[in-house]
Amino acid sequence: NAGVTQTPKFRVLKTGQSMTLLCAQDMNHEYMYWYRQDPGMGLRLIHYSVGEGTTAKGEVPDGYNVSRLKKQNFLLGLESAAPSQTSVYFCASHMLQQETQYFGPGTRLLVL
Amino acid sequence: LAKTTQPISMDSYEGQEVNITCSHNNIATNDYITWYQQFPSQGPRFIIQGYKTKVTNEVASLFIPADRKSSTLSLPRVSLSDTAVYYCLVGTLSGGYNKLIFGAGTRLAVHP
Repeated sequence: NAGVTQTPKFRVLKTGQSMTLLCAQDMNHEYMYWYRQDPGMGLRLIHYSVGEGTTAKGEVPDGYNVSRLKKQNFLLGLESAAPSQTSVYFCASHMLQQETQYFGPGTRLLVL
Repeated sequence: LAKTTQPISMDSYEGQEVNITCSHNNIATNDYITWYQQFPSQGPRFIIQGYKTKVTNEVASLFIPADRKSSTLSLPRVSLSDTAVYYCLVGTLSGGYNKLIFGAGTRLAVHP
């Protein structure tokens, strides 16, 4: 099992550009999450999904959109990137009724 | 949501036992206590989880007093590779949404 993978690993954007971050998991997990982590801080929840076709807002959803068209994939979109969205983005997943999250390796995003 | 308080940083030496205490005064009945470890440029990794009393696995022990208002992560005989940030989380992933909050964590530095 590859676990949780994220694409790309690193990306540089200009202000106003758009991009999509991909999270994939091969563990048949129902729940998937997108977090962002700023320097010296903990993770903050952006959006999450409790199953295919469903998404919900987390703590800091503004400026982001998500989609869960397939159970194994969770996409995070930035429609118009801003410098404030410079961060490291982590995806996580877990099974129903499981209390442990499995995290991906992260995507480092720099918005100029 | 249960708020957690843990030391910002700790220093230790190889071979010593390290205890990191986390306070969570408003823990709810259904909440679990979970510790994650994060190395630079990596996603958090599950270490240990408990609900009450003591839990031990191959890497750590978790001590939880009867009132559950605090918990202590114990790392026996640390090595340089244990240098990382340790997060204490209190909450539950059940119920259809994420009730966990990552704080700033405890930065553990292990010295030769």
